Amino acid sequence: QKEVEQDPGPLSVPEGAIVSLNCTYSNSAFQYFMWYRQYSRKGPELLMYTYSSGNKEDGRFTAQVDKSSKYISLFIRDSQPSDSATYLCAMSAHYGGSQGNLIFGKGTKLSVKP
Amino acid sequence: GAVVSQHPSRVICKSGTSVKIECRSLDFQATTMFWYRQFPKQSLMLMATSNEGSKATYEQGVEKDKFLINHASLTLSTLTVTSAHPEDSSFYICSAREMGSPLHFGNGTRLTVT
Repeated sequence: QKEVEQDPGPLSVPEGAIVSLNCTYSNSAFQYFMWYRQYSRKGPELLMYTYSSGNKEDGRFTAQVDKSSKYISLFIRDSQPSDSATYLCAMSAHYGGSQGNLIFGKGTKLSVKP
Repeated sequence: GAVVSQHPSRVICKSGTSVKIECRSLDFQATTMFWYRQFPKQSLMLMATSNEGSKATYEQGVEKDKFLINHASLTLSTLTVTSAHPEDSSFYICSAREMGSPLHFGNGTRLTVT
């Protein structure tokens, strides 16, 4: 079993739809959870960052972490064509110097149709 | 916010030549930077951790003589792909972390070896 599983999609939704993106993981030591957005031929851009379980909201984006189920989600409300990108989940057991040891999901490619 | 600049964004080179990729932290000092490789539809794979003033730490399976990393200052790390071959063609991304913040990524370098 891979440490982080993420459905690669592609996921296609109409403009205005609510999008749900998810990752599951196997390592119970993970405490730091991130969502990155990557446009084509660009580097990943940090969208959301959460620690341990719970919800975090930022504008149209909501991140949820359920450590008991080893499941994290990113919700996008009122999706826009500009949200079309690949969304990568990432997680780590440590915040400090070993931050490079983030484990990434494969990314879910999202397409929002006008 | 923290900005990481990567240059060049795209490079095409002939087999057997060497290519240097630069990664700069523009508005913060980064004692540690990270280099990743990303194949199409695959997740980011950590190649090495670049440490200012000391040798880089390479992940298992990454040839340190082929992928030379130099972190000469607190704002610059370079990755040199030596004697490049077509199988080295990939998307290379660097990242850095400002103290107290999650990782920020450069925009990546697409290397094509002909």
